[in-house]
Amino acid sequence: EVQLLESGGGLVQPGGSLRLSCTASGFTFSNYAMSWVRQAPGKGLEWVAGINAIGSEPFYADSVMGHFTVSRDNSKNTVYLQMNSLRADDTAVYYCTKEMAITKPFDYWGQGTLVTVSS
Amino acid sequence: EMALTQSPATLSLSPGERATLSCRASQSVGTYLAWYQQRPGQAPRLLIYDASNRANGIPARFSGSGSGTDFTLTISSLEPEDFAIYYCQQRLIWPPFTFGPGTKVEIK
Repeated sequence: EVQLLESGGGLVQPGGSLRLSCTASGFTFSNYAMSWVRQAPGKGLEWVAGINAIGSEPFYADSVMGHFTVSRDNSKNTVYLQMNSLRADDTAVYYCTKEMAITKPFDYWGQGTLVTVSS
Repeated sequence: EMALTQSPATLSLSPGERATLSCRASQSVGTYLAWYQQRPGQAPRLLIYDASNRANGIPARFSGSGSGTDFTLTISSLEPEDFAIYYCQQRLIWPPFTFGPGTKVEIK
């Protein structure tokens, strides 16, 4: 059974940093690209960052370019999202997602971790 | 940049009725379009990929159609668990992997 377990969310002050982790199981992690998708309270879905299967190519939404960094450790079946210079509008539930295959959508989602940016 | 619009924003229907949801892309995405369902308090779930292929375990009452810029998700007969928000997503032109704003299917 595929499982994606996010951790690392919480309350952080504006300008602060947080690192999210997503540990995967139930599939060959190193074969699949992974992404982070967020959802602000009461709002829709926003893809924020992704990384290819071997970890050599990260890619970002314009809204987080330069202040979020995605990485992965295939030996630990884990993908990370380092979030710096956090702003109030980064407040959201952050979901870890697995890509079904190249050019295919996200077939598995974690349950999400809430990040709240507030003073 | 690619944009997706969904209509209607809200669809009010009764169990057993047919639901027809629309997604329109600002430029052609071929058939690189997916649909997701999100129930309250839950993570999204993949329903349809490549415009018309049902994902694993998705009931046959869900179907997708379309290509280019106009796509449709049809639920042939609404079950109580189908009242949720539905999002489309394009996979052709990225980054970003754009999502539509969603259509809420609510009980009439």
